Amino acid sequence: GNSVTQMEGPVTLSEEAFLTINCTYTATGYPSLFWYVQYPGEGLQLLLKATKADDKGSNKGFEATYRKETTSFHLEKGSVQVSDSAVYFCALNSKETSGSRLTFGEGTQLTVNP
Amino acid sequence: ETGVTQSPTHLIKTRGQQVTLRCSSQSGHNTVSWYQQALGQGPQFIFQYYREEENGRGNFPPRFSGLQFPNYSSELNVNALELDDSALYLCASSAFALSSYNEQFFGPGTRLTVL
Repeated sequence: GNSVTQMEGPVTLSEEAFLTINCTYTATGYPSLFWYVQYPGEGLQLLLKATKADDKGSNKGFEATYRKETTSFHLEKGSVQVSDSAVYFCALNSKETSGSRLTFGEGTQLTVNP
Repeated sequence: ETGVTQSPTHLIKTRGQQVTLRCSSQSGHNTVSWYQQALGQGPQFIFQYYREEENGRGNFPPRFSGLQFPNYSSELNVNALELDDSALYLCASSAFALSSYNEQFFGPGTRLTVL
């Protein structure tokens, strides 16, 4: 079956530090890959996505590249801000025989200190 | 454009009771998916509804059931509540069920506590 593995957290950084959150996946076929962010007390918001190999998704300074050869989709940001503090989820969406569904990783808690 | 809304925000039930959670999909979306997010974990897919029929189901027992209405809104029903059902229940809507490219837009969730 499909699965997503994220680096264990939590991650604590100082403002303007470089961020990497690792994500690897197992899936049949060619899934689409997503990063979602969840702020305290809120639902999930899509941060970025990539739908085929070598695609790079980017948004708000965050980037992730779909690497089929290493089955990875690592999230990076060059300079984090306090406002980036949240939980980040890597997810894949594969078209099953009946509908499509998101499979999520466990999430990585990011705290950015001033 | 109205986003995905869910009600109620919070709910407290006792073991053995039944609960109904509600979701209104985003304008123009015809597909609704439900997820369970236990504390400190990633969301787990419960099921999806498309054209008022269940269109895929995760590893959840039959006491988890749902409905989709002609206006594409949806309900999640859980019978015989157990302590482990305590979680944040997330509803997500999307434009087309059969595409893996489609973004799923999430509501704020309903926090269910089972005592």
